[in-house]
Amino acid sequence: AQSVTQPDIHITVSEGASLELRCNYSYGATPYLFWYVQSPGQGLQLLLKYFSGDTLVQGIKGFEAEFKRSQSSFNLRKPSVHWSDAAEYFCAVGASNFGNEKLTFGTGTRLTIIP
Amino acid sequence: NAGVMQNPRHLVRRRGQEARLRCSPMKGHSHVYWYRQLPEEGLKFMVYLQKENIIDESGMPKERFSAEFPKEGPSILRIQQVVRGDSAAYFCASSPARRVGTDTQYFGPGTRLTVL
Repeated sequence: AQSVTQPDIHITVSEGASLELRCNYSYGATPYLFWYVQSPGQGLQLLLKYFSGDTLVQGIKGFEAEFKRSQSSFNLRKPSVHWSDAAEYFCAVGASNFGNEKLTFGTGTRLTIIP
Repeated sequence: NAGVMQNPRHLVRRRGQEARLRCSPMKGHSHVYWYRQLPEEGLKFMVYLQKENIIDESGMPKERFSAEFPKEGPSILRIQQVVRGDSAAYFCASSPARRVGTDTQYFGPGTRLTVL
């Protein structure tokens, strides 16, 4: 069974600073990996996804993530955060085989931006 | 193209009542997933449905919970005899096809259920 670990429950960064949110996964085969963002009281918006190919994927809002198979990681990065990036970020893993289409989510990282 | 729609957005029920949560997938999507988010936690998978079929219900509680996705109309998540522990946000997601590698799930805004 797959699992996801987001080791940082809460991160605070200054506006304009760089950001890296950590995500480690456990899955026996090639995973499909996702980052979603959730603003307070809202649903989840897809930031980016990795299925195959280039291990550095670009997403919306200036985010990118790098798949590192050797480290079982899929960390999310942004070179310069904006106050509007304050939200909860969820990493998720999906299976690569039929019959197991569900997503398994991490517990999330809450991002606070200070002026 | 409208996104995934869920209603109601907020639902208040007293213990013992029934809760019905509706989800209309994105146009052209025939696969629906329900997830539950308890306070301060991530989303947990509940059930995966196609039209008129339950594909995977491994995350559904054994009692009081049921889900359907009829040929016509929205998907319904039904919770009978609600208890305080059912208070959570329930999210629906949809995807276009059962093709591995392309079935990204798109989420609705959620229904926040409060049980008094």
